[in-house]
Amino acid sequence: QQPVQSPQAVILREGEDAVINCSSSKALYSVHWYRQKHGEAPVFLMILLKGGEQKGHDKISASFNEKKQQSSLYLTASQLSYSGTYFCGTDFGNEKLTFGTGTRLTIIP
Amino acid sequence: ETGVTQTPRHLVMGMTNKKSLKCEQHLGHNAMYWYKQSAKKPLELMFVYSLEERVENNSVPSRFSPECPNSSHLFLHLHTLQPEDSALYLCASSQGFGGSGANVLTFGAGSRLTVL
Repeated sequence: QQPVQSPQAVILREGEDAVINCSSSKALYSVHWYRQKHGEAPVFLMILLKGGEQKGHDKISASFNEKKQQSSLYLTASQLSYSGTYFCGTDFGNEKLTFGTGTRLTIIP
Repeated sequence: ETGVTQTPRHLVMGMTNKKSLKCEQHLGHNAMYWYKQSAKKPLELMFVYSLEERVENNSVPSRFSPECPNSSHLFLHLHTLQPEDSALYLCASSQGFGGSGANVLTFGAGSRLTVL
């Protein structure tokens, strides 16, 4: 069962904040977040493990709500370099990542 | 060369052709993957190799044939493809497969395949 990401697309002005959600209908073991810029490889951002704490990297952070089987990615004070498509990958404990359809983020000056 | 390298970056082939995609990783990882990325669809896992042994074949049609001669190289052999097989094919690697669940993927930039 693939995770559901929302929103599908979002346009922000530089400096604004964004939240991207990833929801699963099955119990999650871990959630991975990746970003893919046009024509480039997806790049790993962070992983959240079941029972783990909220992670953060610079102005990008994420949380994992085990009760809701949902992860959220928070982008604070967005920069032009944040533009791209964000994917969540969910692991149900079998080591295989199932990816969502992605959220396209566009940052405008 | 660093990371994961895929060649060719672009490939156009007819339905009767035979071609191959190549992936090479320079990270010392033990697991390698093929994913298919189509427009408006999530990344689809096709194959997983761990220590050169295929551990996952995700109901992929036989016109796609993977080969992993060693832990650094992965091939995807293509023959008698259909137009709906046109997509971006991504190779990835991870430190391992199975165990702690922290199989962080390092992706290549992909091979854009067009089937005429």
